[in-house]
Amino acid sequence: GENVEQHPSTLSVQEGDSAVIKCTYSDSASNYFPWYKQELGKGPQLIIDIRSNVGEKKDQRIAVTLNKTAKHFSLHITETQPEDSAVYFCAASWGGSARQLTFGSGTQLTVLP
Amino acid sequence: DGGITQSPKYLFRKEGQNVTLSCEQNLNHDAMYWYRQDPGQGLRLIYYSQIVNDFQKGDIAEGYSVSREKKESFPLTVTSAQKNPTAFYLCASSKVSGGTDTQYFGPGTRLTVL
Repeated sequence: GENVEQHPSTLSVQEGDSAVIKCTYSDSASNYFPWYKQELGKGPQLIIDIRSNVGEKKDQRIAVTLNKTAKHFSLHITETQPEDSAVYFCAASWGGSARQLTFGSGTQLTVLP
Repeated sequence: DGGITQSPKYLFRKEGQNVTLSCEQNLNHDAMYWYRQDPGQGLRLIYYSQIVNDFQKGDIAEGYSVSREKKESFPLTVTSAQKNPTAFYLCASSKVSGGTDTQYFGPGTRLTVL
């Protein structure tokens, strides 16, 4: 089955700096890669996703890049703010009528004021 | 969280007791999912259902059971056979159609076995 590795497990940045979180996946058939943000005690919220037919997607301060050849994808957050502090999860799936997502282990991002 | 509700938010049970977690969605989504989250780990799939009266086991189904009698509801029962049930349980739902099957999560239920 699919295996997703996520790095780093913790990341601290100064407010205004950029943050990058990286994930690698094992199944070359995977074609959907969402990123979720989880605040303490809450359910994950989708922040951005990318499908295998594109290499990069942006939404304001957030971007995701995908390298299918190397089987890795990354989340980029620019101009970080204290409210960006949370746990971020990447995931991958190969599709089907109900996508079975395989999640990374999460990255605790702390934005220092 | 959108239109996905989970109840209760916190749940305590004694060892040897079965307990049922509720998940309801009003998004008209076809598929529903149950995940388990342990500290420092990602989410692991317990069960999922693509359509009413049908469901499939995920990676860690042992000690759990589900039902899908209505499109809006997908309750999860944690049985006494689950050896380590203390965890944060998350329900999700998605449409089942090409390109629009993003999963949306509920707020979660934290189960503690006393």
